[in-house]
Amino acid sequence: EAGVAQSPRYKIIEKRQSVAFWCNPISGHATLYWYQQILGQGPKLLIQFQNNGVVDDSQLPKDRFSAERLKGVDSTLKIQPAKLEDSAVYLCASSPGTSGYEQYFGPGTRLTVT
Amino acid sequence: AQSVTQLDSQVPVFEEAPVELRCNYSSSVSVYLFWYVQYPNQGLQLLLKYLSGSTLVKGINGFEAEFNKSQTSFHLRKPSVHISDTAEYFCAVSVSNNNDMRFGAGTRLTVKP
Repeated sequence: EAGVAQSPRYKIIEKRQSVAFWCNPISGHATLYWYQQILGQGPKLLIQFQNNGVVDDSQLPKDRFSAERLKGVDSTLKIQPAKLEDSAVYLCASSPGTSGYEQYFGPGTRLTVT
Repeated sequence: AQSVTQLDSQVPVFEEAPVELRCNYSSSVSVYLFWYVQYPNQGLQLLLKYLSGSTLVKGINGFEAEFNKSQTSFHLRKPSVHISDTAEYFCAVSVSNNNDMRFGAGTRLTVKP
């Protein structure tokens, strides 16, 4: 079984530029998550999708971050414009359901904003 | 909302020694508890989880954890560590009515020869 795929693995941009990350979850997993992991901290949930609908985006900075999951499969997370404090690893995870299910994580995208 | 506190940011230990990584949680409702491991430049991998039933949970790589409701703790243990256990360990909690998983800040376990 293929795991959660993410690309790119690394990205360096200047502040005020835009960037997009892509995630392909495990086949058949209805729930998809995007997390932000700042160096030295645990992952923080940005947005949760159930199929192609948003379940929770309360911690997503909507003035600059956006995410979509068209057709309920893969997903993109965009930052526009980027700030220095957006430097972090962006993790995508998926799970077969919601409550109580293990989340399977991708390798992450390391973003550096200069 | 639920939250997690990992009491030690770093734990150094010698190879073949026992180790305990501490985790306390806060929630007003029933919880599900998880321990994940993160190796350098990789995503998180599940070690073990507590959903219900027996309070002693066994996971992969010889790790186990005990759910203690009265002390709101879910400490991770291993009787004898290996060099390859060097990694970052995260405790996480979610509640029964959604999958909003909250992570602790992590504990860096360093196993020395």
